[in-house]
Amino acid sequence: KAGVTQTPRYLIKTRGQQVTLSCSPISGHRSVSWYQQTPGQGLQFLFEYFSETQRNKGNFPGRFSGRQFSNSRSEMNVSTLELGDSALYLCASSITYEETQYFGPGTRLLVL
Amino acid sequence: GQQVMQIPQYQHVQEGEDFTTYCNSSTTLSNIQWYKQRPGGHPVFLIQLVKSGEVKKQKRLTFQFGEAKKNSSLHITATQTTDVGTYFCAVLGGGFKTIFGAGTRLFVKA
Repeated sequence: KAGVTQTPRYLIKTRGQQVTLSCSPISGHRSVSWYQQTPGQGLQFLFEYFSETQRNKGNFPGRFSGRQFSNSRSEMNVSTLELGDSALYLCASSITYEETQYFGPGTRLLVL
Repeated sequence: GQQVMQIPQYQHVQEGEDFTTYCNSSTTLSNIQWYKQRPGGHPVFLIQLVKSGEVKKQKRLTFQFGEAKKNSSLHITATQTTDVGTYFCAVLGGGFKTIFGAGTRLFVKA
């Protein structure tokens, strides 16, 4: 069974731009969670989606948004990028939220 | 909000020595998970503990959940260079939000 895939793997943007990251979960997994990982802050929860519904959002500004499609694929968007948004963005999928989360390889975003 | 404190932040060991990382919470936890992230990689699920006093073993790794369900530990016996990485504890919080500890980065010197 194919694992969680994330595209793109690497991204360089400049301040003020916006970015869209994509996550394709493992087939059959309906829960998708997103995390931001930085050396200083560790793994911070961004959002969780299940059946196209956002069930929770972490403590991030409104510039961070996301959505989930009917095939469980998910996207997250960051508008008006700031230097501090440079991070590794990870998504994880699970059959349901309570089950084991499987992480994708992440998208490494650098904001210049 | 719910938080989990993980210590130590870093640990340097000689190959063959043991290693332990601890995860503590001020509130009772319904569950705790452990993940390993290799340098340059992504977190990989190791195990989930849900019962008070639970102990689970995976080869050289021993996971414990405290009797009061407020703390957990991961112990590695006789570390190897393949054990290098960051070990995270995580809690499935209420409201579909997973809270991760800050992680313990393990360095193993051959």
